[in-house]
Amino acid sequence: DGGITQSPKYLFRKEGQNVTLSCEQNLNHDAMYWYRQDPGQGLRLIYYSQIVNDFQKGDIAEGYSVSREKKESFPLTVTSAQKNPTAFYLCASSNPGTGGNEQYFGPGTRLTVT
Amino acid sequence: AQSVTQLGSHVSVSEGALVLLRCNYSSSVPPYLFWYVQYPNQGLQLLLKYTTGATLVKGINGFEAEFKKSETSFHLTKPSAHMSDAAEYFCAVITGGYQKVTFGIGTKLQVIP
Repeated sequence: DGGITQSPKYLFRKEGQNVTLSCEQNLNHDAMYWYRQDPGQGLRLIYYSQIVNDFQKGDIAEGYSVSREKKESFPLTVTSAQKNPTAFYLCASSNPGTGGNEQYFGPGTRLTVT
Repeated sequence: AQSVTQLGSHVSVSEGALVLLRCNYSSSVPPYLFWYVQYPNQGLQLLLKYTTGATLVKGINGFEAEFKKSETSFHLTKPSAHMSDAAEYFCAVITGGYQKVTFGIGTKLQVIP
């Protein structure tokens, strides 16, 4: 089955630690995205990548970093500089060349930092 | 710039009643419009999309939406609510040539038995 996997489903970290969230897709999509979801705020774009070895900051990139070394993988690192990292993180992918550019989402990772 | 407004962060309907979730967008160019559904602690799933052509779009689970350019709206409807429709629904917009999708803040649908 094609799709997007995110691991782990739940992640707990101590304040001051960096943590990396995994996102893998086997849909052969060119573009990948990371969103942060907080109650009442919808989805906010952190980073996106249109091709391998290239990525752009989204609306709330501060305190986050990404890499795109392989087409199928787009890991997100939440650094200690992110002031409020506890949230639900969603990864998505799309094929912008097709009509509509609908995004396909992974199941999400819920990060709790204490 | 593009934006999406979802009116009503919470909507309650009785089982069997009409579901109407409102979405208005702002875009200076013809938009692509989407509705997604999210069940608790899960990712988003595409319900339907409008790109070009017919303005009434049918999606999964009996949902449909109508693109009304004059009203800049893309409201989501379902004739008869089912308990399994209880979820959060997101409207989204993308304008031509843009890789970024702008999401609304979401509407939580409660279905009362």
